[in-house]
Amino acid sequence: QKEVEQNSGPLSVPEGAIASLNCTYSDRVSQSFFWYRQYSGKSPELIMSIYSNGDKEDGRFTAQLNKASQYVSLLIRDSQPSDSATYLCAVNIVGSYKYIFGTGTRLKVLA
Amino acid sequence: EAQVTQNPRYLITVTGKKLTVTCSQNMNHEYMSWYRQDPGLGLRQIYYSMNVEVTDKGDVPEGYKVSRKEKRNFPLILESPSPNQTSLYFCASKGGSTTNSPLHFGNGTRLTVT
Repeated sequence: QKEVEQNSGPLSVPEGAIASLNCTYSDRVSQSFFWYRQYSGKSPELIMSIYSNGDKEDGRFTAQLNKASQYVSLLIRDSQPSDSATYLCAVNIVGSYKYIFGTGTRLKVLA
Repeated sequence: EAQVTQNPRYLITVTGKKLTVTCSQNMNHEYMSWYRQDPGLGLRQIYYSMNVEVTDKGDVPEGYKVSRKEKRNFPLILESPSPNQTSLYFCASKGGSTTNSPLHFGNGTRLTVT
């Protein structure tokens, strides 16, 4: 089993809709969770970090963490064509400098 | 501007010819790391450094070397590149006194080994 799993997609949503991206992880001692956006050929760009159970909102983005079920999700409200990218989920292991990345979900927002 | 700078952005070389990819950060970060990204495999850590003169292997260190002689620089060295090292490489750094702050990535180096 991969340590961090994401559906590769593509996930297609119409402009203005809510895009829901999911990530599951296998390590129960994972501490910190991050969502990165990556445009093709470009570097990953941090969108959200979340450290405790519940929701965290930042503009059109909401991260949701459920440690008991070992999943973290990212909601993008009012999706725009410029949101079309690959979204990477990353997990940091507690007490270590190790970051484990999922392979990413490709999102396509249709105009 | 706070940033992580990698050079070169693109590099085409031949098997066995030693090369170095440079990485520099201006944020006074203690932690720096190298990743490679391949289709279907995601980002995989090659080496990381918690501070000057302290480095450790990541998940895929074979065929790579690093050095951390000063805080701002963390070069990646391929002593004898092979075609399976063709990949997109990212340097990253992070600050903060805890282990769980986010990584900041450089712009990437696309390496082709023929």
